[in-house]
Order: sequence, then C-alpha cells, then structure tokens
Amino acid sequence: QKEVEKDPGPLSVPEGAIVSLNCTYSNSAFQYFMWYRQYSRKGPELLMYTYSSGNKEDGRFTAQVDKSSKYISLFIRDSQPSDSATYLCAMSVGSQGNLIFGKGTKLSVKP
Amino acid sequence: KAGVTQTPRYLIKTRGQQVTLSCSPISGHRSVSWYQQTPGQGLQFLFEYFSETQRNKGNFPGRFSGRQFSNSRSEMNVSTLELGDSALYLCASSLRGGGAHEQYFGPGTRLTVT
Repeated sequence: QKEVEKDPGPLSVPEGAIVSLNCTYSNSAFQYFMWYRQYSRKGPELLMYTYSSGNKEDGRFTAQVDKSSKYISLFIRDSQPSDSATYLCAMSVGSQGNLIFGKGTKLSVKP
Repeated sequence: KAGVTQTPRYLIKTRGQQVTLSCSPISGHRSVSWYQQTPGQGLQFLFEYFSETQRNKGNFPGRFSGRQFSNSRSEMNVSTLELGDSALYLCASSLRGGGAHEQYFGPGTRLTVT
C-alpha cells in the first residue's frame, strides 16, 4: 500500500462550484500536512500548511486534517478558471522528515 | 524576496552522459531538498542538504548525488544517464528543512535523456 493515496481524478467543475480534494494516508506518524498547487510547466506552489489535526482557512481555501481517519482535505470555494491546476497533497513525519507526496489531482474549472 | 531559482530550465542529454543541475534557495534558507517528478511516479524525494551536509536521502541509486555550498546553493549530479532519468527535477528551499518548516519549490529543470 502506498503511503499516500489521492482520490481518483481528474476533476472538472463549473466556475463558482465548491471543490473538494482529498488524500488518505497509512502512516499514523505523519504530523505535518501540506497542499501544493502546480500549474503546467511550473514548480509546485505552497497553498496550505497545517500541523496535526484541525482546520485552517485562507481566503477561498480551507484545509482539514483528520488524523483519526488518516484523511486530509482541501476545499476551494467559489472556484475560478485560474484555479485550474494539479493539486498535490504532501505530508511529513517530523521536523526533519522529507515530504511524501500524493500523485496529484488535476482540476479543471470551466467558465 | 527572490524565489528559488534553478538552472538550466531545460536540458537534453544522451544516455551514458552525466549532468549537473543547480539550485539557489531563498535568501536566508539553509535547507535545500531535491525531488524527481515523473508522470508515473509523481514527486519523489531524492535528498536534503542542510548547512552543507546531506541530512536525508531517498531511495535512489548512487548515480544521483548532490552537494551544498557555504552560501546554501546546491547542485545535483546524475552520472551515467538512463532513459528513465527523464523527468522534472525540482529543488525546494526551506528555513531549516524537514516537514516542520515550509518548503518552497523552484520552477524545476526538465531533463530529457535520449
């Protein structure tokens, strides 16, 4: 079993929709959780960074971590065509652990 | 503040050759991590350098190596290139590295091996 699994994609939604992206993981030692956005031909851009369980909100983006279910989510409200990109979840065991990435979900927001 | 820069952006090499990629982290960041991104395997960790020392290493063959200089700039070297080494190579800069500190990625170097 891979350490990090993402929900099947790609995903296509109309502009203004609420988008839900999810990853599950198997290693209960993960403590740090991130979401990155990657546009085509670009490097990943850090969107959200959370430690342990709970929610974090930043503008239209909300990240949720449920350590009991080993499940993390990213919600995008009022999605825009500019949100069209690949979204990658990443996680790390500890302060010196490298990042383990999910495969990424390609999101397309149609005008 | 300037972001992470990587050079060159694109590279075409032949099997058996070697290649060196360069990464300049964000000013003040002391950790540089390298990742390989392919469509099949996604983003995979290669190694991390902090204060000129390799602190962490992924599961890649010894043909992949790196180093970090006193100004935190880092280079990655791949020797005896194979077709399967074609990928986007990304470096990430962090204040102190690991998962406890945010990692910021550069634009990547796209390596094609023919």
